Parts: sequence; structure tokens; C-alpha cells
Amino acid sequence: GAVVSQHPSRVICKSGTSVKIECRSLDFQATTMFWYRQFPKKSLMLMATSNEGSKATYEQGVEKDKFLINHASLTLSTLTVTSAHPEDSSFYICSAREGPDSSYNEQFFGPGTRLTVL
Amino acid sequence: GQNIDQPTEMTATEGAIVQINCTYQTSGFNGLFWYQQHAGEAPTFLSYNVLDGLEEKGRFSSFLSRSKGYSYLLLKELQMKDSASYLCAVSAYSGYSTLTFGKGTMLLVSP
Repeated sequence: GAVVSQHPSRVICKSGTSVKIECRSLDFQATTMFWYRQFPKKSLMLMATSNEGSKATYEQGVEKDKFLINHASLTLSTLTVTSAHPEDSSFYICSAREGPDSSYNEQFFGPGTRLTVL
Repeated sequence: GQNIDQPTEMTATEGAIVQINCTYQTSGFNGLFWYQQHAGEAPTFLSYNVLDGLEEKGRFSSFLSRSKGYSYLLLKELQMKDSASYLCAVSAYSGYSTLTFGKGTMLLVSP
């Protein structure tokens, strides 16, 4: 149980284009999903927290107009990198939490999406 | 904010025991996770501690001292496949729960 998928697993795009990444919880309902970014040999950095049916909460320094997050259902959240540039090349990982916010905050991670912007 | 510190790299030999330490400073602490991450893959859950003490799960154990802001992950009977990055992640609540990850400890297990 508690499987999270991401699509695509790998994407290469030209500078200036937009890329959409999907994150799905396959066997549970995720009221909250999280988007992380990881640069080579660095830790996961939280970009934003997405609650179903409401606007995402972005971490300091993350441009909400550049990284559009939509959490339209309890099983799907999407991250759109708009007008991508080479510095946006990174490993993007989503995670999902089952149930409401509580003292137990285990997150189930998707397999990640490797974005390369040429 | 939160500050999480763990060693960058560690090496050990197959069959040995290794301890990976993690120190943290945070407000609203509500648990500490350890994750394993192989290169190019997502993190996988290893352990969770919210109360002081030792949690044992097979070859892996995790310890927490909340008063000291300290945790460690203990790996026994090391295998080659244990070569990976080990991430300490602190959960904190400030209106909503967030996980903050340390930079990870790259463990290399040699024959």
C-alpha cells in the first residue's frame, strides 16, 4: 500500500518551454502533497505544500508564478515549471501524506522526475 | 527555522556496524524520520522516532534524544546494497506539519 507515482520519470525540454509533472497516489487519498527539488549531491528542498482544493503554500524563495501547483483531486497533484531555464534542471520529487495533518507526518515519496532544460 | 546536521560521508566494510548521527534544532518538533536514498531514486522510509529511546527494526535501529536534539541510525551486518545516502528528516508543526531534510550521509560499504 501507500504507492505514489510520478510522470514523466525523465524529461528534456528546450529553454523557455513549460513542463508539467504529475504526482498520483495510487491506493490512498492524499489530502496533502508536497513537492521537493533535489540538486546533485544535495538534500531534498521543500518547494511547496499542496492541499486538495486550496492554493499551495510555497516555501520562501520559490516563485509561485514559475512553479504552478494544482491539487484538483485527492489523488492527483501537478507541478508545472513555466518558461523553464537550464538552472531549473533538477530532480523533482513529490510526496503524499494520507489523512489530515497530525502528529505522525510520514510522507510517501514518488520515484522522482529528472528534468533537463537545454 | 530548522538546522539539521549529519556527516557528509562515511565508509565501512561489509559485515560491520555503522552509526550515522544527526543533530537538529527546531521548534514544534513532532518526530524524526530516517530515509534511505539510492542515487537517482526517491527516498524510502526506514524509521520514525517521536519518543526518546531506541527503535529496532531488523538490521536497522534508530535512537532519539529530544532533550539533546540528537538521533542516530545504526546499521548492523552491513551489506553492499546498503551503500546509499541516508537522510535525517525532522518533522515540525507550526500551523501545519513539514519535513525538513538534512543534507544526507553518503555511506559507502566496501568488501
